[in-house]
Amino acid sequence: GAGVSQSPSNKVTEKGKDVELRCDPISGHTALYWYRQSLGQGLEFLIYFQGNSAPDKSGLPSDRFSAERTGGSVSTLTIQRTQQEDSAVYLCASSAGTGLQYEQFFGPGTRLTVL
Amino acid sequence: DQQVKQNSPSLSVQEGRISILNCDYTNSMFDYFLWYKKYPAEGPTFLISISSIKDKNEDGRFTVFLNKSAKHLSLHIVPSQPGDSAVYFCAARDQTGANNLFFGTGTRLTVIP
Repeated sequence: GAGVSQSPSNKVTEKGKDVELRCDPISGHTALYWYRQSLGQGLEFLIYFQGNSAPDKSGLPSDRFSAERTGGSVSTLTIQRTQQEDSAVYLCASSAGTGLQYEQFFGPGTRLTVL
Repeated sequence: DQQVKQNSPSLSVQEGRISILNCDYTNSMFDYFLWYKKYPAEGPTFLISISSIKDKNEDGRFTVFLNKSAKHLSLHIVPSQPGDSAVYFCAARDQTGANNLFFGTGTRLTVIP
């Protein structure tokens, strides 16, 4: 079956522009996560969606970052007024539920470069 | 503030020998630990995990050891194979109920044929 997909795979933008990154989770997965990996850093949690509950936004680094999940499926991460420090690989993951028994499946990521 | 640390950015091992990847953590609230493997241009994939109530978990060639008093875990791969060459991430989950994972910076393993 299809795994988690993300688009675009690469995005180059100019400082100050807005970008949208898309994640298509595995069908039927109720939980969706966004992480990012900056150069030389580990994966950093950004935001988590579970079903119809309010998302956990505790990892978003600034109010320039936002995410939504429409219809409990596709998610879009939006970064407004991009800065050079936003350059990173943005990874999306989904799982069939919450709890330790539910593995997080990761997409291939979107490499964002802010010039 | 890196709560999960992998201090070795890279490791090279001869095929057939043992690979040992190390991970340290600082948060005593972590109660579940995972190792992920990542190939270039792909997302990380789950490899093996261990609960804090155990000190060892084995799955085929892969064994994870947990030393809670030292806040240290390690992944042993034996025998190492060229296909094991990848970046390995250590991750931990907080027992307070948050569902996000805290990741280390990764160790790039190269298995030399």
